[in-house]
Amino acid sequence: EVQLVQSGAEVKQPGESLRISCEGSGYTFTNYWISWVRQVTGKGLEWMGRIDPTDSYTNYSPSFQGHVTISTDKSIGTAYLQWSSLKASDTAIYYCAASRSGWDFFFWGQGTLVTVSS
Amino acid sequence: QSALTQPPSVSGSPGQSVTISCTGTSSDVGSYDRVSWYQEPPGTAPKLIIFEVTNRPSGVPDRFSGSKSGNTASLTISGLQAEDEADYYCSSYTSSTMVVFGGGTKLTVL
Repeated sequence: EVQLVQSGAEVKQPGESLRISCEGSGYTFTNYWISWVRQVTGKGLEWMGRIDPTDSYTNYSPSFQGHVTISTDKSIGTAYLQWSSLKASDTAIYYCAASRSGWDFFFWGQGTLVTVSS
Repeated sequence: QSALTQPPSVSGSPGQSVTISCTGTSSDVGSYDRVSWYQEPPGTAPKLIIFEVTNRPSGVPDRFSGSKSGNTASLTISGLQAEDEADYYCSSYTSSTMVVFGGGTKLTVL
């Protein structure tokens, strides 16, 4: 059974750094792109960017380029989403999602709630 | 890249059919058969129900069907059931090698 298990909820202050994780199991990690998707409470889904775990090729939505970094450690089957300086507007649920093609997300993590507040 | 356009809400009675539209541009929906649909019940992660415009993943009932004409894709749910009440999102691959989602549609089963 394919599973994506994300790290737990985080509470941070503006300006702090953060890295959240997404561990894949039940499949060959390098066979699926991993995307990250943001959902602000009560709002819709926003695609942030994706990574090919085979070679760490990434591409980002212009809305998120330069503000977040997507990476993987294929040796442990884990993808990451990180911020160097959080803003209050980063408060949201973040989902990782796996796709063979890169654009249709067959498997989803359970979501990680990130709260940024002073 | 602008979000795809979906109606904010639709509703129907049990047993009826509803259709949700998803309008993009010639740079996304109109150029690629790479449209997906996701169901998101309250408080849970999204679930893929249609991929590549018309295909259903294993386990998704055939009450769910997808289609596309020009720059607009559509999701039809026939034989509505109470358990279908959820938010529905479309997405498309784009010419910028990105993915864009629709704004979401809340389905209410009356």
